[in-house]
Amino acid sequence: EIVLTQSPATLSLSPGERATLSCRASQSVSSYLAWYQQKPGQAPRLLIYDASNRATGIPARFSGSGSGTDFTLTISSVEPEDFAVYYCQQRSNWLTTFGQGTRLEIK
Amino acid sequence: QVQLQESGPGLVKPSQTLSLTCTVSGGSISSGNYYWSWIRQPAGKGLEWIGRIHTSGSTNYNPSVKSRVTISADMSKNQFSLKLSSVTAADTAVYLCVRDHSVGVFDVWGQGTLVTVSS
Repeated sequence: EIVLTQSPATLSLSPGERATLSCRASQSVSSYLAWYQQKPGQAPRLLIYDASNRATGIPARFSGSGSGTDFTLTISSVEPEDFAVYYCQQRSNWLTTFGQGTRLEIK
Repeated sequence: QVQLQESGPGLVKPSQTLSLTCTVSGGSISSGNYYWSWIRQPAGKGLEWIGRIHTSGSTNYNPSVKSRVTISADMSKNQFSLKLSSVTAADTAVYLCVRDHSVGVFDVWGQGTLVTVSS
């Protein structure tokens, strides 16, 4: 099983600041990495798939990068509605796994 | 636009079988090269993929539950289902059904249903 480690666990920022979230895989997942956003009481929402492809309807302030074992989700300028928990997820084999999440909170 | 809705008992006794159904609307589960997955999330914790079924009927299961889980589909009702046997308190979670695009891109989610395992 591929283990994904996300950092930091919590990120405290003010609206308008740049957010950088990291995800490291225990072995290479090529570019088969996705990012999801989850707000309280809601299901996760797909933001980025295959490392850098934005899902339908996702604002351009969200971007993904990386390959192999190290990946980054960047929010160029955090909006009030972006405060949530973010999960990375790999699909390099049929046994897909998720990271433990990064909470983006208001500073 | 495709929508998914979970249904089933919210309370299951230990050692019994958890049974949930996901009804898909706005599209047919038998069309397109999609998989249909179940994911669960214990309160305050992360996400665990349980398993998936393809429109062809083939399935994959997480080894952590493989001996206890069955996912099936009823194309005539546009539904797919989850059965998890011999449940314990550790199976208490919100269960979510998800459209699985390209084997692991979860692009459409149900709202989730809480299942509590308790006597």
